[in-house]
Amino acid sequence: EAGVVQSPRYKIIEKKQPVAFWCNPISGHNTLYWYLQNLGQGPELLIRYENEEAVDDSQLPKDRFSAERLKGVDSTLKIQPAELGDSAVYLCASSLARVAYNEQFFGPGTRLTVL
Amino acid sequence: RKEVEQDPGPFNVPEGATVAFNCTYSNSASQSFFWYRQDCRKEPKLLMSVYSSGNEDGRFTAQLNRASQYISLLIRDSKLSDSATYLCVVNRGANNLFFGTGTRLTVIP
Repeated sequence: EAGVVQSPRYKIIEKKQPVAFWCNPISGHNTLYWYLQNLGQGPELLIRYENEEAVDDSQLPKDRFSAERLKGVDSTLKIQPAELGDSAVYLCASSLARVAYNEQFFGPGTRLTVL
Repeated sequence: RKEVEQDPGPFNVPEGATVAFNCTYSNSASQSFFWYRQDCRKEPKLLMSVYSSGNEDGRFTAQLNRASQYISLLIRDSKLSDSATYLCVVNRGANNLFFGTGTRLTVIP
């Protein structure tokens, strides 16, 4: 079974440029998460989707970050404009359901460098 | 106060050694607990769940102390392949996971 797919794997941009990340979750997983991981830190949740609904976006910096999950499958995370401090790994994860714990499976991440 | 606190290490241990990692969590209402493993430049993967009764998976033993809000992971007979970062993870409910900073382990030949 295919795992969580993310693209691109690496992205280098100049500050103030826009950037977008794409995630395709494991088939059948209705819950999708975007995490931010800085060097030497654990992942921090940015946004969680149940199907196409964003159920927790409290940690998403809405002035520059946006996300969507059209049709409740693939998701896109966008940053516009990017700042130097946005350099990090952006991880997408998916799981089966919100009720009770189901293991979250992570994609390989997109490593963003903002120059 | 951070939701989950771990000693970042690094822990450098010889092959065959026993090593223990600990973490504490701040929210007493946290519902479930896990250890994830993350290899260098890779994604986190679930290593094992943690229960109050303790659970063991081969050389790995995890323990939860709810009264002290403390979670531990013990690795016996360390292998070179155990070198990784071990993330302590707390579920506050509804799959709302909080990750610690991770503890880096290097097993030395």
